[in-house]
Amino acid sequence: DIQMTQSPSSLSASVGDRVTITCRASQSISNYLNWYQQKPGKAPKLLIYAASSLQSGVPSRFSGSGSGTDFSLTISSLQPEDFATYYCQQNYNIPRTFGQGTKVET
Amino acid sequence: EVQLVESGGGLVQPGGSLRLSCAASGFTFSTYWMSWVRQAPGKGVEWVANIKEDGSEKYYVDSVKGRFTMSRDNAKNSLYLQMNSLRAEDTAVYYCARGGGKFEHWGQGVLVTVSS
Repeated sequence: DIQMTQSPSSLSASVGDRVTITCRASQSISNYLNWYQQKPGKAPKLLIYAASSLQSGVPSRFSGSGSGTDFSLTISSLQPEDFATYYCQQNYNIPRTFGQGTKVET
Repeated sequence: EVQLVESGGGLVQPGGSLRLSCAASGFTFSTYWMSWVRQAPGKGVEWVANIKEDGSEKYYVDSVKGRFTMSRDNAKNSLYLQMNSLRAEDTAVYYCARGGGKFEHWGQGVLVTVSS
């Protein structure tokens, strides 16, 4: 199975900050990498797919980059509604696997 | 509007069975892979299984193989997860999601609690 490791596990930030979360795969996954945002009590929401493509309706302050084994999610200017937990997920092969999550808090 | 509505969760004893359902609307269900994804209380997200558009291919995470069976009824726009031999570690919120690789839409989730 491909292991997905996110860092940091949590971070403290303020509104307006630039925030970057990294995700590392245990083997190359090309660009088969997705990012999700989850708020308490809610289902995850797809933000970024194929490493860098913005899902329809997602604000442009979210961006993704990377290929192979190293990826990142950047929020260019953190907004109040962005405080949440973020997960990366690979769809290179089965089983689909997620990172452990990164909680962005104030 | 895409809608996915899960049902069938609840409290079940270890070794018991439960069948989850997911009613889909707002899109052509028969043209999409579908998945089940779960999240144990306070834990991360775990993919459980997925199924091809016509039901001819199904894949499972190792921890549920031989115990869980995923199926679909395209005439009823419905997805199912039959869960047998349930264990305490299967306790989680179970989500159905559209897609086999990237999960574009999710239901609200249904809680399954395995406890005596």
